[in-house]
Amino acid sequence: AQTVTQSQPEMSVQEAETVTLSCTYDTSENNYYLFWYKQPPSRQMILVIRQEAYKQQNATENRFSVNFQKAAKSFSLKISDSQLGDTAMYFCAFRANTGTASKLTFGTGTRLQVTL
Amino acid sequence: DSGVTQTPKHLITATGQRVTLRCSPRSGDLSVYWYQQSLDQGLQFLIQYYNGEERAKGNILERFSAQQFPDLHSELNLSSLELGDSALYFCASRGEVVGGELFFGEGSRLTVL
Repeated sequence: AQTVTQSQPEMSVQEAETVTLSCTYDTSENNYYLFWYKQPPSRQMILVIRQEAYKQQNATENRFSVNFQKAAKSFSLKISDSQLGDTAMYFCAFRANTGTASKLTFGTGTRLQVTL
Repeated sequence: DSGVTQTPKHLITATGQRVTLRCSPRSGDLSVYWYQQSLDQGLQFLIQYYNGEERAKGNILERFSAQQFPDLHSELNLSSLELGDSALYFCASRGEVVGGELFFGEGSRLTVL
C-alpha cells in the first residue's frame, strides 16, 4: 500500500516571497504519478502540478515547480512570488500506473497562509 | 469548471435516514472515484468504478454503496446515517490519457443532525 506524508500542517509566507511545501511517499511501484492539488476556501480541488515518475526533469507550471527526488521518495512544491490567492490547503497525492484500478492517495495536507 | 457535476451541493438530513449523491463525470471519462472529506481532514478514498464495474475499494462502510450506470454517471448511497457521516463527498473522474489526473466535482456537503 502506498502512503503519502506531509509533515507541515501549516505554513505562512509573505506576499511575493517563496515557500516550499514538503511531501514524502512510500511505494514499491516503479511507474507512478505524483500531483499537488490546491483546495481554497471554496473547497474545490484544483490540480496545481503533475509529475511522471519516469521523467527526470522537474515539472514547472508558471510560479509553481517541484523538486522530485525519486530515490529519496520526496516530492516538494515550490511556490515563487506568492500571491494572496495562493492561500489554500495543499495536498500531495500519489497514483500508481496500474491500469484501470488506480486510486489517488492523498497526504493530510498543508495549510498555507499568504500574508501582506 | 472541471466538467464533473455533483448533485446536490448541500444536503441536511437526520440520523437514521438514507441519501443518494449523484455524479456525472466529464464527457468520455470512464473512471469515477468517490472520496470523503470530514471537517479539516484529508480526502479518504471510498470506491472507484471503471465503465460500470467496481475497480478499487477503500475504507467504505457497509452502510454505503455505490454504482456506475451505463451512461457512466454514478451514485453514492449512504444509509442509516450517523452524525459522523457529516462530510464533504467528492466525486472525481479520470480520462484515459497517460498520467491522467483526477478531475473533481465541487462536492456534496452532507450534514447529519
